[in-house]
Amino acid sequence: AQSVTQPDIHITVSEGASLELRCNYSYGATPYLFWYVQSPGQGLQLLLKYFSGDTLVQGIKGSEAEFKRSQSSFNLRKPSVHWSDAAEYFCAVGDNTGTASKLTFGTGTRLQVTL
Amino acid sequence: NAGVTQTPKFQVLKTGQSMTLQCAQDMNHNSMYWYRQDPGMGLRLIYYSASEGTTDKGEVPNGYNVSRLNKREFSLRLESAAPSQTSVYFCAGTVSSSYEQYFGPGTRLTVT
Repeated sequence: AQSVTQPDIHITVSEGASLELRCNYSYGATPYLFWYVQSPGQGLQLLLKYFSGDTLVQGIKGSEAEFKRSQSSFNLRKPSVHWSDAAEYFCAVGDNTGTASKLTFGTGTRLQVTL
Repeated sequence: NAGVTQTPKFQVLKTGQSMTLQCAQDMNHNSMYWYRQDPGMGLRLIYYSASEGTTDKGEVPNGYNVSRLNKREFSLRLESAAPSQTSVYFCAGTVSSSYEQYFGPGTRLTVT
């Protein structure tokens, strides 16, 4: 069965600093990978996705992620963090078998931004 | 477009009570999903519906039932609520062959 590990439960960065959130996955085939963001009291919003092709993908809100098959990783990066980026971030892997496109989520990384 | 909507936003139940969480979408989603979110555990899939008229168990289905009433609506029922079901519940939807799930705002349920 597929799984996702987000090793950092909580990260604090200063506004304007760069950010990298780690994600490692376990999946038997070529994975479909996602990053979602959840602002306090809100649902989840898709930041970016990787299905195939270029291993560096760009998303919304200045986000990007790089798929590294050899490391089973899909780390999220932002070059400059804004205070409004404070949220919880979830990495997910898609199960491309069966009748529905199901996602398995990591446990999340909570980002705090200091001014 | 309202997207994915959920009712109620908040609910407090006593142990043993029943309730139904409602989810509706106007995004022409074929597949719909129910998740629960607990601190430190991410989102876990309870049930899903690949298409109208079908439902399947996810990772944590015990204590829940679902109904895919029509293409737009997918409800989650707790027949006899337990404190372990205190959680935030999210509904999501996606079109066929897409993995981009659109989430509702969530229902915060407390069982005392």
